[in-house]
Amino acid sequence: SQTIHQWPATLVQPVGSPLSLECTVEGTSNPNLYWYRQAAGRGLQLLFYSVGIGQISSEVPQNLSASRPQDRQFILSSKKLLLSDSGFYLCAWSRTSGGYSNQPQHFGDGTRLSIL
Amino acid sequence: GESVGLHLPTLSVQEGDNSIINCAYSNSASDYFIWYKQESGKGPQFIIDIRSNMDKRQGQRVTVLLNKTVKHLSLQIAATQPGDSAVYFCAENNWGNLIFGKGTKLSVKP
Repeated sequence: SQTIHQWPATLVQPVGSPLSLECTVEGTSNPNLYWYRQAAGRGLQLLFYSVGIGQISSEVPQNLSASRPQDRQFILSSKKLLLSDSGFYLCAWSRTSGGYSNQPQHFGDGTRLSIL
Repeated sequence: GESVGLHLPTLSVQEGDNSIINCAYSNSASDYFIWYKQESGKGPQFIIDIRSNMDKRQGQRVTVLLNKTVKHLSLQIAATQPGDSAVYFCAENNWGNLIFGKGTKLSVKP
């Protein structure tokens, strides 16, 4: 069966510090990978998605970047965090067969990021 | 703009009763919909999906209904249990991306 792991579960960082959140998927090959942010009491906002190694699409302009150095590894980064970067960050994967738009996305348990 | 929304932000039901969570969508071209359950501090968990060529799909204790005429999606949970307490999101395939609603919080009273 497929599993998705995110770490760390919680993170407290000062403004201006760098960020690296990691996500890995097991049990599948060539998944589509996604990073979302969820603000308190709100829905999910898609930040980045990737259909393959080194292929990153950004959905919103922001202080964050994403990279996919390996097939099942997706990293969310920032060089200098802002207060507005606080939130709950979720990684997800989906199968590529039939086009990613018609496949369910499966989520990790997220990283709660607090910027002080 | 086109979006996925919810009729009710909160829903409180008695344990053992059936729950119905509603969702409206505005993109008539959407062809795929998903329901997720999110417990506190966790990521959304896939419950059930439905494609636009179907009106109804059933899972274990859950049923999703799709009414394309009025662009309405609902999730029915039979014999609601305390473990069903969570926030439920619908998601819509909108031009290749999944667009999520804000969610409905379901509370189950013992």
